[in-house]
Amino acid sequence: DIVLTQSPDSLALSLGERATINCKSSQSLLYGSNNKNLLAWYQQKPGRPPKLLIYWASTRESGVPDRFSGSGSGTDFTLTISSLQVEDVAVYYCQQYFNPPPEFSFGQGTKLEI
Amino acid sequence: QVQLQESGPGLVKPSQTLSLTCAISGDNFFTTGTAWNWIRQSPSRGLEWLGRTYYRSGWYYDYATSVRGRATVNEDTSKNQFSLHLKSVTPEDTAIYYCSRGRASAFDSWGQGILVTVSS
Repeated sequence: DIVLTQSPDSLALSLGERATINCKSSQSLLYGSNNKNLLAWYQQKPGRPPKLLIYWASTRESGVPDRFSGSGSGTDFTLTISSLQVEDVAVYYCQQYFNPPPEFSFGQGTKLEI
Repeated sequence: QVQLQESGPGLVKPSQTLSLTCAISGDNFFTTGTAWNWIRQSPSRGLEWLGRTYYRSGWYYDYATSVRGRATVNEDTSKNQFSLHLKSVTPEDTAIYYCSRGRASAFDSWGQGILVTVSS
């Protein structure tokens, strides 16, 4: 099974600062048939389901503010929040898809505080 | 806009079968590129994908290694809903269970979640 390891586990920054969250995969997530990295990022606030922010490592989901960006390829990926807002306080997760066999898994989460 | 709503019992006894249903509105099983998933979340196991159903000129089902043999996902196209059945549950299966739509190898819509406790 593929293991995703996020770093750091928690992060405390100030309003307007830049946040960087890393996600490392135990295997390459680059899918040969479409040259996409099958890695996504989610934001979860207390009492709410996760919300998709980024898919294919760097494609922003519709409606997500452009201060959120994703980068990386292969086994190393990064979620960047360019200028922190109060509403960005949440836990952030990375998620991968691998086939065969078809399997999805999530990182352990990074708690972001301001 | 797609909306998903989980329903089912909040308390299940050990060794029994956990059964949940997810009602879909604003989409259906035959939309190109979609899959319909069950995911759970607990403090001890984090976010854990359990299984999915999808249609590609036929019905397909995939399951996580951790629940293969115990979990069954099935669909009811007449009611536009899908279900999860997880047999032989233990307290380790206590979690918030979410249904979710899958697209582009990610989960783009989620239900609100339902807390299921396994206890006698």
